[in-house]
Amino acid sequence: NAGVTQTPKFQVLKTGQSMTLQCAQDMNHEYMSWYRQDPGMGLRLIHYSVGAGITDQGEVPNGYNVSRSTTEDFPLRLLSAAPSQTSVYFCASSHPKVNTEAFFGQGTRLTVV
Amino acid sequence: AQSVTQPDIHITVSEGASLELRCNYSYGATPYLFWYVQSPGQGLQLLLKYFSGDTLVQGIKGFEAEFKRSQSSFNLRKPSVHWSDAAEYFCAVGARTGANNLFFGTGTRLTVIP
Repeated sequence: NAGVTQTPKFQVLKTGQSMTLQCAQDMNHEYMSWYRQDPGMGLRLIHYSVGAGITDQGEVPNGYNVSRSTTEDFPLRLLSAAPSQTSVYFCASSHPKVNTEAFFGQGTRLTVV
Repeated sequence: AQSVTQPDIHITVSEGASLELRCNYSYGATPYLFWYVQSPGQGLQLLLKYFSGDTLVQGIKGFEAEFKRSQSSFNLRKPSVHWSDAAEYFCAVGARTGANNLFFGTGTRLTVIP
């Protein structure tokens, strides 16, 4: 049972480059989210989705785009990477029924130079 | 505004000693509370959660937490710490439906000494 799978695990980008962080889940969860983790700041919500075709902004959405064309996948796009986007990115999913918890992927460590 | 405060950035305890990690929250609706643990280079693993009912909840690995509404707190405890408990611990608060949009504390790093 794979759960939430993130690729790649590590990535180095140059300033201005674009890339997509992939996230896939096999639990048929409707809710998916992206968080970034920075030292001393915990995890902060970037974007989230409550189902295919529906996305919304979280606490720190600037510089990131998302789309949700299928239930399984929720990619995060950086259109023009900046050093401030150096972080560890986590994808999470959960079932929409009440009293559920979020399941997290293993993270993607991104460095922008 | 929603927020979670973990006042202790780093705690060091001896193996076998008891542990309490503090968490205070501010949330505009009924809070649903979680503790996650993160080992170095790993993702987050759920330790326990509180949705309703008994305010003392049991989790995995011998952890428990107590919800105190009057103090807006959800402290994590363990009676006897093991060396393998060394990790970073995060408290989070979220909505009842789809624990998707979580607000996290800044984390407490636990060091266990022999």
